[in-house]
Amino acid sequence: GENVEQHPSTLSVQEGDSAVIKCTYSDSASNYFPWYKQELGKRPQLIIDIRSNVGEKKDQRIAVTLNKTAKHFSLHITETQPEDSAVYFCAASVTGTASKLTFGTGTRLQVTL
Amino acid sequence: GAVVSQHPSWVICKSGTSVKIECRSLDFQATTMFWYRQFPKQSLMLMATSNEGSKATYEQGVEKDKFLINHASLTLSTLTVTSAHPEDSSFYICSAFNPSGGEYNEQFFGPGTRLTVL
Repeated sequence: GENVEQHPSTLSVQEGDSAVIKCTYSDSASNYFPWYKQELGKRPQLIIDIRSNVGEKKDQRIAVTLNKTAKHFSLHITETQPEDSAVYFCAASVTGTASKLTFGTGTRLQVTL
Repeated sequence: GAVVSQHPSWVICKSGTSVKIECRSLDFQATTMFWYRQFPKQSLMLMATSNEGSKATYEQGVEKDKFLINHASLTLSTLTVTSAHPEDSSFYICSAFNPSGGEYNEQFFGPGTRLTVL
């Protein structure tokens, strides 16, 4: 089955700096890669996703890049703000009929003032 | 649109009792729902895939007789933790797949249920 690794496990940046979180996956059939933000005790919230036919996608301060050949994808947050502090999870799945998501281990991002 | 609810949001029970958690898709029909378990400071681990009108598919290592899943309608799936023990204490989250949601396979998550077994 799919295996998703995520690094780093914790990340501390100063407000205004950029944050980068990286994930690798093992199943070459995976073609859908969402990123979730989870605050303590809350549900995961989809913040951005990318499909394998696209190399990069951007939404305001958030961007995701995908290297299908190397089987890795990254989340980039620019101009970080304290409210970006949370745990971020990457995930991978195969598009189709209700395919299950395999999650990475999570990155705890702390944005300091 | 695409709202998923869970009930209860938290529950405390005694060891040996059973607890039922409900997951509802409020504004769409979910042919498939997923149940995850999340221990503190860990990732979401898929427990089982719940398909409407058929038996759930359990992930390796998840006891199907302990975690009973019923998906009797297109808007409701239930997870029953039978004979709960302290090690079952966790955050249980469901998600629902919206077949009308395009080809992105986006899953919509419920708010989670925190189970504490004393």
